[in-house]
Amino acid sequence: KQEVTQIPAALSVPEGENLVLNCSFTDSAIYNLQWFRQDPGKGLTSLLLIQSSQREQTSGRLNASLDKSSGRSTLYIAASQPGDSATYLCAFLWEAAGNKLTFGGGTRVLVKP
Amino acid sequence: KAGVTQTPRYLIKTRGQQVTLSCSPISGHRSVSWYQQTPGQGLQFLFEYFSETQRNKGNFPGRFSGRQFSNSRSEMNVSTLELGDSALYLCASSSGQVWHEQYFGPGTRLTVT
Repeated sequence: KQEVTQIPAALSVPEGENLVLNCSFTDSAIYNLQWFRQDPGKGLTSLLLIQSSQREQTSGRLNASLDKSSGRSTLYIAASQPGDSATYLCAFLWEAAGNKLTFGGGTRVLVKP
Repeated sequence: KAGVTQTPRYLIKTRGQQVTLSCSPISGHRSVSWYQQTPGQGLQFLFEYFSETQRNKGNFPGRFSGRQFSNSRSEMNVSTLELGDSALYLCASSSGQVWHEQYFGPGTRLTVT
């Protein structure tokens, strides 16, 4: 069964600290992985997309890595700001599942000023 | 380029009623997927439409149905509403190629009383 786990479920850090969010998955036969951000009651904002053949992607203060051999992806957010407070979700597109994203439960992040 | 739009943004319905939600994808995108988000189950895939055909389907009862029009706009219908159908319903737009990024709309918040 293809499963995605995000630990911890919640995280609180002081402003300026680097954030490290983890995502683990059970099946390495993926098309790609997307990291999303969700503000309370809102839709999902796509942050980064990593194709199966890639090891990492970077956008500004964000860096996401993908290690299929260990079944892990990590999202790094450098120098966190209060505006980074949100829930972060990883989602996988598996080869056997077509265009269907399977989501982790998310990590709720609070950056304290 | 306009993003994904969903209407209405909020709905309150009574048990037993039916409801129709609408999603307009990004211009040029041919795939629309629907997801249900609840606090208990997280984000779950409902179905995907591509070029007016249902291409993929999740594990939801037949009360949940959808369709797509020739302009790629999609509607989702839920009949005989139950209290457990209260959720945030999100649609995602993509080109249809499975390795391409998916973009989400702001969601429709459905409350069933």
